[in-house]
Amino acid sequence: QVHLVQSGAEVKKPGASVKVSCKASGYTFTGYYIHWVRQAPGQGLEWMGWINPDSGTANYAQKFQGRVTITRDTSISTAYMDLSRLTSGDTAVYYCTRAKGGYYDTSGDYYDYFFGYWGQGTLVTVSS
Amino acid sequence: EIVLTQSPGTLSLSPGERATLSCRASQNVASYLAWYQQKPGQVPRLLIYDASNRATGVPARFSGSGSGTDFTLTISSLEPEDFAVYYCQQRSNWPPGVTFGQGTKLEIK
Repeated sequence: QVHLVQSGAEVKKPGASVKVSCKASGYTFTGYYIHWVRQAPGQGLEWMGWINPDSGTANYAQKFQGRVTITRDTSISTAYMDLSRLTSGDTAVYYCTRAKGGYYDTSGDYYDYFFGYWGQGTLVTVSS
Repeated sequence: EIVLTQSPGTLSLSPGERATLSCRASQNVASYLAWYQQKPGQVPRLLIYDASNRATGVPARFSGSGSGTDFTLTISSLEPEDFAVYYCQQRSNWPPGVTFGQGTKLEIK
């Protein structure tokens, strides 16, 4: 079965960077995008970006452009989310997630979108 | 980006009652909308995809409907374990990106 296992909690100072890992198992890693979603304390879900593990291509939410980098290492079926220039507003639980399916648009391009598999979450605390 | 607006923000009901949650998209998303349930301290759980398809293992009391810009999640008869926060979510090809609604908290009255 599909498993996504994330790295442990982090405490960082403002201005620092954090790198969270997400190790996939139970399926062909290069066959499905990995998305990153975060949730600040008491707040809703916020999508950050995705990576195509096969090509290494990543796409980011405009809000995080220039601060987030999503990468992968196919040899160990692991995706990474690197967030820089941290502020207290980045304190959140960060999730990696994989879709169970999606749809084809009129051009025949596929868009995965409904997230059926989630990592356990990684709490990142930014505090001086 | 496509904005998803959920209403109400909080819904107070009793077990056995019917719950109706709304999600409105700022642009047409066809039927490509999903619903999730999240309980405190837990990861989101996929309930509904493609607006009306129940995910594996989701009880039949959960149903989804709608298309275009207006969507509804209905819980026909609330069980104690249904009290949680519910999110809708979409991924569009244009403008590209994934968005979530702000959530509806379903609380026990």
